[in-house]
Amino acid sequence: GENVEQHPSTLSVQEGDSAVIKCTYSDSASNYFPWYKQELGKRPQLIIDIRSNVGEKKDQRIAVTLNKTAKHFSLHITETQPEDSAVYFCAAGTPNTGNQFYFGTGTSLTVIP
Amino acid sequence: DGGITQSPKYLFRKEGQNVTLSCEQNLNHDAMYWYRQDPGQGLRLIYYSQIVNDFQKGDIAEGYSVSREKKESFPLTVTSAQKNPTAFYLCASSIFGGNEQFFGPGTRLTVL
Repeated sequence: GENVEQHPSTLSVQEGDSAVIKCTYSDSASNYFPWYKQELGKRPQLIIDIRSNVGEKKDQRIAVTLNKTAKHFSLHITETQPEDSAVYFCAAGTPNTGNQFYFGTGTSLTVIP
Repeated sequence: DGGITQSPKYLFRKEGQNVTLSCEQNLNHDAMYWYRQDPGQGLRLIYYSQIVNDFQKGDIAEGYSVSREKKESFPLTVTSAQKNPTAFYLCASSIFGGNEQFFGPGTRLTVL
């Protein structure tokens, strides 16, 4: 099956700086890569996703890049704010075939005011 | 917040007892999932169901059982065979073949 690795496990940045979280995957058949944000005590929520036919996607301060050849994808948060503090999970899978997602182990991001 | 609910929020169980966690959704989603969340281990899939009366094992199904008798409901039973059941359990749903999974608020199970 798929194996998703995520780094770093913890990340602290000053407010206004950028944060980057990286993930690698093993199954070249994976074609969908979502990122979920989980605030303390709350449920995970999708914040951005990318399909394998796209190299980059941006939504305001959040962007995701995908390198299919190297099998890695990254989350970029610019101009970080304290409300960005949360645990972020990457995932990989082939939902169009009804298969499961495989999640990374999570990154705890702390934005220091 | 998403139309998927889990109950109870907190659950305590004595060793050797089976316990059932509830998951209900009113999103008309075909697919439902159960994940276990432990510190530093992310979300690990226990079972998933793409359609009523059918389900598949995930990566850590041992010691767990599920049923899918109704589209809206996907209860998870943690049996006494599960050696380390204390964890946070998350239920999710999606349309069949869809991308986004919508998560419930979770149930924190503690074995005493």
